[in-house]
Amino acid sequence: DAGVIQSPRHEVTEMGQEVTLRCKPISGHNSLFWYRQTMMRGLELLIYFNNNVPIDDSGMPEDRFSAKMPNASFSTLKIQPSEPRDSAVYFCASSSPAGNNSPLHFGNGTRLTVT
Amino acid sequence: AQKITQTQPGMFVQEKEAVTLDCTYDTSDQSYGLFWYKQPSSGEMIFLIYQGSYDEQNATEGRYSLNFQKARKSANLVISASQLGDSAMYFCAMRDGGSYIPTFGRGTSLIVHP
Repeated sequence: DAGVIQSPRHEVTEMGQEVTLRCKPISGHNSLFWYRQTMMRGLELLIYFNNNVPIDDSGMPEDRFSAKMPNASFSTLKIQPSEPRDSAVYFCASSSPAGNNSPLHFGNGTRLTVT
Repeated sequence: AQKITQTQPGMFVQEKEAVTLDCTYDTSDQSYGLFWYKQPSSGEMIFLIYQGSYDEQNATEGRYSLNFQKARKSANLVISASQLGDSAMYFCAMRDGGSYIPTFGRGTSLIVHP
């Protein structure tokens, strides 16, 4: 049974370039989360989708960040234009339809470096 | 307001010994779930154990157990018979009934010495 699949695993880009991170959640999971992890700020929630609809995007840093979930099996996080302070590990996670007893299943993350 | 507090930034334990990682939480909901995750140096986040607020028994999963003290709002992770492979960051998290959005603590770094 495949877990959450993220691509790419590593991304190195120059400041000002567009970056697109991709995520395929576990089949049957209806909740999807994008997190960012840095040493300074720990794990930060960026956006939460339920049934493909964005429910909470209050963690999205600014207009340079956008996320979409066009269907139940695919989501993207886009940064345009990217800045060095966006360097971090970006995780996608999904959970099954349930309340507060469902664990999140994380992808392996995308390590983004913006130079 | 911070919902999950992990007060130990770093912990050391001897191989084969038991270790307790602390976690306290804050919620006004009666229904909530508590989770622990392990993040080894390779970076992936691995789900370890779950405790529901209505569960009367402490959760156990192999060498992992959760010492759940509801009145004190604590959910400490106990790892028995530590192994070198247990060296990692450990995160406590909570989902409460308000929004179901998980909140994570800052993590505890565990190093197991041979």
